[in-house]
Amino acid sequence: DVKVTQSSRYLVKRTGEKVFLECVQDMDHENMFWYRQDPGLGLRLIYFSYDVKMKEKGDIPEGYSVSREKKERFSLILESASTNQTSMYLCASSLGAGGSYEQYFGPGTRLTVT
Amino acid sequence: GENVEQHPSTLSVQEGDSAVIKCTYSDSASNYFPWYKQELGKRPQLIIDIRSNVGEKKDQRIAVTLNKTAKHFSLHITETQPEDSAVYFCAASKTGGTSYGKLTFGQGTILTVHP
Repeated sequence: DVKVTQSSRYLVKRTGEKVFLECVQDMDHENMFWYRQDPGLGLRLIYFSYDVKMKEKGDIPEGYSVSREKKERFSLILESASTNQTSMYLCASSLGAGGSYEQYFGPGTRLTVT
Repeated sequence: GENVEQHPSTLSVQEGDSAVIKCTYSDSASNYFPWYKQELGKRPQLIIDIRSNVGEKKDQRIAVTLNKTAKHFSLHITETQPEDSAVYFCAASKTGGTSYGKLTFGQGTILTVHP
């Protein structure tokens, strides 16, 4: 049973703070993804990673960076949080090349920037 | 890049009725089309998917149809039940190569099934 966990369910930060969101998966998946979910906009891809230390921008990377130092862990970093980054952040993972493309999601982190 | 449009944004049906959610995509190279269900307060979960070499796929009360020529695909839920109430997301992806299974999601449909 795939398990994807995220470091926090709820987070409140102040404008200008550096914010770290962590995601861990326990199924040796190659691919990991960070999305933000906003009502009426669906899930929008921020960044993804297909291997350790490898990353690619998604559709809305501005204001974010990522880090993948270990296969099981993918971090999303908000260098200087702004109020327009208040959102639900979802992490996901998938098996990788030659395997299933099903993405398994974490429970989400609801971030509020004040 | 790929663009996925999903309609309707909200759908309200009576228990036992059918529900249909439609999506269109822009990139003719997309060949994998999953549907995810997100219940209130929970994480999205895959409920059914279809690849471009198949026109229709069914799993009990849910089915997905794909029209590659028109670049649209639909989710059909028959005999709806209150537990079908959720947000449904369609998505599109290219498989293989350097796509890494990256999904582009639609905007979501809030389905409410009234007892």
